[in-house]
Amino acid sequence: SAVISQKPSRDICQRGTSLTIQCQVDSQVTMMFWYRQQPGQSLTLIATANQGSEATYESGFVIDKFPISRPNLTFSTLTVSNMSPEDSSIYLCSVGAYGTEAFFGQGTRLTVV
Amino acid sequence: GQQVMQIPQYQHVQEGEDFTTYCNSSTTLSNIQWYKQRPGGHPVFLIQLVKSGEVKKQKRLTFQFGEAKKNSSLHITATQTTDVGTYFCAQGAQKLVFGQGTRLTINP
Repeated sequence: SAVISQKPSRDICQRGTSLTIQCQVDSQVTMMFWYRQQPGQSLTLIATANQGSEATYESGFVIDKFPISRPNLTFSTLTVSNMSPEDSSIYLCSVGAYGTEAFFGQGTRLTVV
Repeated sequence: GQQVMQIPQYQHVQEGEDFTTYCNSSTTLSNIQWYKQRPGGHPVFLIQLVKSGEVKKQKRLTFQFGEAKKNSSLHITATQTTDVGTYFCAQGAQKLVFGQGTRLTINP
């Protein structure tokens, strides 16, 4: 199993600003995943964060908007840049071994005003 | 990538009634996972199915994987208020593709 500490748990931000979300895992993992969950919707993968290389982004998500850092095997950050109200969502980090269950952080509930 | 369609989107039941949510894919899936997300919470893993025709039970929850590995279902017998939440199916090895989810509400 894995325990993930994600912070902040929630924030209210002004449009045009940026927010950095942090995830700390209690064990070393090769891949970390960042998801977005828009209000009342399902989870959509933003990107896969690999240690030592650039993150791999899914279609519709770009590095300029969602820069990701992965400085070591237990930590990652996701920045939501130049925010607009449409970025209001829950952002979740996740880890999981190949073919087994995924573990999620508690989520960051972001409201952009 | 592979997509899974999940129905219904919402289900409201009386406490004690049964509940079922379905996931369907147009392509063969290597695996299917099920997650529960309580209101205000994060997704929590329930089970993974990998074999054709597999059936697994967890107390009042029964999970099935179709013979063709293109569909799956989660059935809850005699719902309780603690079952409230959104149930998601998901497929994939590392990065997951989630179904749309079924939001279950229960009238006590």
